[in-house]
Amino acid sequence: GQNIDQPTEMTATEGAIVQINCTYQTSGFNGLFWYQQHAGEAPTFLSYNVLDGLEEKGRFSSFLSRSKGYSYLLLKELQMKDSASYLCASGGYSSASKIIFGSGTRLSIRP
Amino acid sequence: GAVVSQHPSRVICKSGTSVKIECRSLDFQATTMFWYRQFPKQSLMLMATSNEGSKATYEQGVEKDKFLINHASLTLSTLTVTSAHPEDSSFYICSARGEGRVTEAFFGQGTRLTVV
Repeated sequence: GQNIDQPTEMTATEGAIVQINCTYQTSGFNGLFWYQQHAGEAPTFLSYNVLDGLEEKGRFSSFLSRSKGYSYLLLKELQMKDSASYLCASGGYSSASKIIFGSGTRLSIRP
Repeated sequence: GAVVSQHPSRVICKSGTSVKIECRSLDFQATTMFWYRQFPKQSLMLMATSNEGSKATYEQGVEKDKFLINHASLTLSTLTVTSAHPEDSSFYICSARGEGRVTEAFFGQGTRLTVV
C-alpha cells in the first residue's frame, strides 16, 4: 500500500521562505513528485526527485531522503501568486507508472 | 511543456443520464493516461489507469461499470460516467505520460461535473 502525509495547511509571509514537508511509505518506491495546484485548475509539475539530495530550480527546491521516506519543497522569496495547494506524489519514472498523490498542503501567503 | 486538452471543462447533467469526458494529448503520444477525481479541498484520487488498446486498470473501490474508460488511440482517452447521480458530482482530471517524457505527467484542465 501507499501512505503519503503532508500538513493540511500552512501560512507564510510574502518575501519569506517556507518549507513543506512530505513523508511517505510506499511499496516499490521509485521517485517523488511535487505539483502545484491553484483552486479550480489542473496541477502543474514542479519537480521530480529519484535520488537523495537537493535539487534547485529557481525559487523552488526539492529534497529527498529515501532512507527516511522524507521529502520537502522549499519556496523562497514568496510571492502572493504562490498561494496554492502543493501536492506531494510518489511514482515511477516510466510512462506506465501511476502517480499517487498525498492529501496536499494549502499554502496561504499574506502580505 | 506538453499539452493535454480535456473537454468539456464544465458539464451539468440530469440524474440518470451519461456523460462523456475526453482527454487528448495534443503534441505527444500518450502511452498511458490516468483519470483522477477530486473533491473540494481534497487531493486527487486515482480512479484508473488506461493504456492504449487495452482494458483500463481500476483502483480499488472504483466501479468499472459506472466509470467506463476507453483509450482507443495514443492521443485520446475517454471517461464515461454512466447513469450519473448527484454523488458523482466532482472535478475529474486526466493526465498523460508518454514514452520519451519519462518523468512528469501532464494534466488536462479538468472537468467540473454537476449532476442535478
